[in-house]
Amino acid sequence: DTAVSQTPKYLVTQMGNDKSIKCEQNLGHDTMYWYKQDSKKFLKIMFSYNNKELIINETVPNRFSPKSPDKAHLNLHINSLELGDSAVYFCASGADGGTHGYTFGSGTRLTVV
Amino acid sequence: AQKITQTQPGMFVQEKEAVTLDCTYDTSDQSYGLFWYKQPSSGEMIFLIYQGSYDEQNATEGRYSLNFQKARKSANLVISASQLGDSAMYFCAMRGLTTDSWGKLQFGAGTQVVVTP
Repeated sequence: DTAVSQTPKYLVTQMGNDKSIKCEQNLGHDTMYWYKQDSKKFLKIMFSYNNKELIINETVPNRFSPKSPDKAHLNLHINSLELGDSAVYFCASGADGGTHGYTFGSGTRLTVV
Repeated sequence: AQKITQTQPGMFVQEKEAVTLDCTYDTSDQSYGLFWYKQPSSGEMIFLIYQGSYDEQNATEGRYSLNFQKARKSANLVISASQLGDSAMYFCAMRGLTTDSWGKLQFGAGTQVVVTP
């Protein structure tokens, strides 16, 4: 069973469109995250939810909106997509306590054309 | 604020040799965790090893060991007996354990390792 699963794996879309990426974890973790990896492989945290509550909201355009219907799911909705949004988006989950690494999903490669 | 620095953008290593990947960090947190992740060309992020700031012994996991020097704020990863499958991007990361930094696992820029036969 995949611990953190993201769909879709690839997403190609035109500028101006709205798209969503879904994430689900079956590890029982309380906290989930969205990270963006740019073309230079730099990973930056975007959002974090703890038990459905937003706890981290980094400087991200408000076209990006996370939604957590329950603690096992954290979706990312992006409005009015721009070329600069092209990146790999990773979902991750982690247990509280900080002593273990986060478990990452396999990533969603978003290409905006 | 936290900052992770990996100064080696890329390195080549011969199979069966050991390699050290450098990582330095800066934080105002008294309590924090240090992590290393591996990202092969397939793209997934694989957790390798963890070191807590109050752990007195260096962490080891199989062929991976973390050389933790708290006073120097360094957390270098040592991979012993390199294998071709170790070719990947390696990221150092840190998570503060205070209220302000809780949950923010922040990454360095990464080091690309290529293992040659």
